[in-house]
Amino acid sequence: KQEVTQIPAALSVPEGENLVLNCSFTDSAIYNLQWFRQDPGKGLTSLLLIQSSQREQTSGRLNASLDKSSGRSTLYIAASQPGDSATYLCAVKDKLIFGTGTLLAVQP
Amino acid sequence: EAQVTQNPRYLITVTGKKLTVTCSQNMNHEYMSWYRQDPGLGLRQIYYSMNVEVTDKGDVPEGYKVSRKEKRNFPLILESPSPNQTSLYFCASSLMGAGETQYFGPGTRLLVL
Repeated sequence: KQEVTQIPAALSVPEGENLVLNCSFTDSAIYNLQWFRQDPGKGLTSLLLIQSSQREQTSGRLNASLDKSSGRSTLYIAASQPGDSATYLCAVKDKLIFGTGTLLAVQP
Repeated sequence: EAQVTQNPRYLITVTGKKLTVTCSQNMNHEYMSWYRQDPGLGLRQIYYSMNVEVTDKGDVPEGYKVSRKEKRNFPLILESPSPNQTSLYFCASSLMGAGETQYFGPGTRLLVL
């Protein structure tokens, strides 16, 4: 059974820092991996989707990498801003299994 | 504006009183699904639908029903709610399937007393 783990569960950084969020999964036979952002009291917003044949995807200050063989993905956030504060979730398909998320706080 | 809407956003009810949470999308998406989010357990899929009149169980379907009579709507039905169904519920849709970018609704917070 696929299990998705995100470490750390919470992270606090000063504004301007570059940071990395981690996602690991136990079954490497995934179709793709998605990173989401969830703001308090709101739904999820898709940030990046990496197909299993890809190694990374970039969108603005965000860069997500995927290493299927080791069962890991990272979300790199460059020059963090207070507006980046949210919970970040990764999810793997084949059945869209979610991790429990990393709560990020960027201190001004 | 392309969006997924859910109603109600907040609901307090009592054990055994049937309720329906509506979900609607205006993007002509084929795939729709329901999730519940609980502390420490993350998001878990309840039901999904690949197309009109096609629905299937997710990981935690017990105590829930769904229907997909129209492409845009995917209501979640709790025939006899119980306190363990107290949770935050999300509806999501995508163009063709779970492997594509998912668009989530704002969530429905349900409390069953």
